[in-house]
Amino acid sequence: QQPVQSPQAVILREGEDAVINCSSSKALYSVHWYRQKHGEAPVFLMILLKGGEQKGHDKISASFNEKKQQSSLYLTASQLSYSGTYFCGTEAGRRALTFGSGTRLQVQP
Amino acid sequence: EAGVAQSPRYKIIEKRQSVAFWCNPISGHATLYWYQQILGQGPKLLIQFQNNGVVDDSQLPKDRFSAERLKGVDSTLKIQPAKLEDSAVYLCASTGVSYEQYFGPGTRLTVT
Repeated sequence: QQPVQSPQAVILREGEDAVINCSSSKALYSVHWYRQKHGEAPVFLMILLKGGEQKGHDKISASFNEKKQQSSLYLTASQLSYSGTYFCGTEAGRRALTFGSGTRLQVQP
Repeated sequence: EAGVAQSPRYKIIEKRQSVAFWCNPISGHATLYWYQQILGQGPKLLIQFQNNGVVDDSQLPKDRFSAERLKGVDSTLKIQPAKLEDSAVYLCASTGVSYEQYFGPGTRLTVT
């Protein structure tokens, strides 16, 4: 079953923060986050494994609440290069990913 | 390190015709995936290979789609016959020992 992402779209000014949420009705083994720019392939951002860990990469971080089967992606002090569509991919039991429908993020100057 | 290679990048065919896509994963990656991404949606898994064996093809429309990975390296995905609703980007991805999936540039298929 496809994970649910929210919001569907968000517009930011440079320097503002954003949170993208991903929730699943299934017990998850891991959650993956990807960013896809228009006309390009998805690019891996980070993976969170079962255990409720939190990860960060530069000004992008994420958390995984195992009990609620939810993950959130945090973008801090957004830059123009952050624009794109963000997908969460959920994995239940070491199988391939099921992707959400995406969150379109637009960062304006 | 070379990335995932796919060809062709674009293909336009008429409905009921056949088409084939090729993918060469990152060297040493045992797991290969084919995804279908319809405009405005997330990628949807069609088939997953581990070396040359199929791990998951539950979402592959087997009446018209087929895929193979004969030597455990490159792979082909075929559609025969194509329908209008098959218009999409077909993405190939591969993974090695880690869980990160590396995607190729995709093949954009238009069925008229």
